[in-house]
Amino acid sequence: GAVVSQHPSRVICKSGTSVKIECRSLDFQATTMFWYRQFPKQSLMLMATSNEGSKATYEQGVEKDKFLINHASLTLSTLTVTSAHPEDSSFYICSAPGQGVDEQYFGPGTRLTVT
Amino acid sequence: GQSLEQPSEVTAVEGAIVQINCTYQTSGFYGLSWYQQHDGGAPTFLSYNGLDGLEETGRFSSFLSRSDSYGYLLLQELQMKDSASYFCAVRDSPLNTNAGKSTFGDGTTLTVKP
Repeated sequence: GAVVSQHPSRVICKSGTSVKIECRSLDFQATTMFWYRQFPKQSLMLMATSNEGSKATYEQGVEKDKFLINHASLTLSTLTVTSAHPEDSSFYICSAPGQGVDEQYFGPGTRLTVT
Repeated sequence: GQSLEQPSEVTAVEGAIVQINCTYQTSGFYGLSWYQQHDGGAPTFLSYNGLDGLEETGRFSSFLSRSDSYGYLLLQELQMKDSASYFCAVRDSPLNTNAGKSTFGDGTTLTVKP
């Protein structure tokens, strides 16, 4: 099946710094990727839809200047959390639609801890 | 907007059958999906219903009634490894279109006991 990777799997950073998370589709091309955030014991909340070659579409309430998304190629989307604060600590997961319309493939997630 | 309701917790014993219900209220509906997530891991796709009826994949089945805005995931012959969170998700258009995206329920934590 299709594989999506994320890097890093875990990151700890100091408050005020920026962190970049990479999401790659390893064996297929993804013109669209989704970025989710999940707090402990909670659901996945869609943050934004990343579109190759164009601007990302952000969900209501998500600050586009804080969560920078770049989808530079058909296999790579990046999420940069700028000026991170402790409340940004969360599990960030990317996904990409499969070739069919039925499913999406999730990356393994990145656990961000801001101290 | 979209809202989904599913039970927060379900407990069952090994070998049993369990049903996890999901009701939804949506402004648009294209299909209902189910995902499994083990603690600390990423969600994995289980099944999808775009039309009314039952879809069977091994020990897992999923059902949809669009007229009732209702679906369920049925897990048979439960195993310890099935202990996980299960999420229903609704999308309002195909994922591979510009408008396609999924809204997830809050998840049901299934605990399978020996």
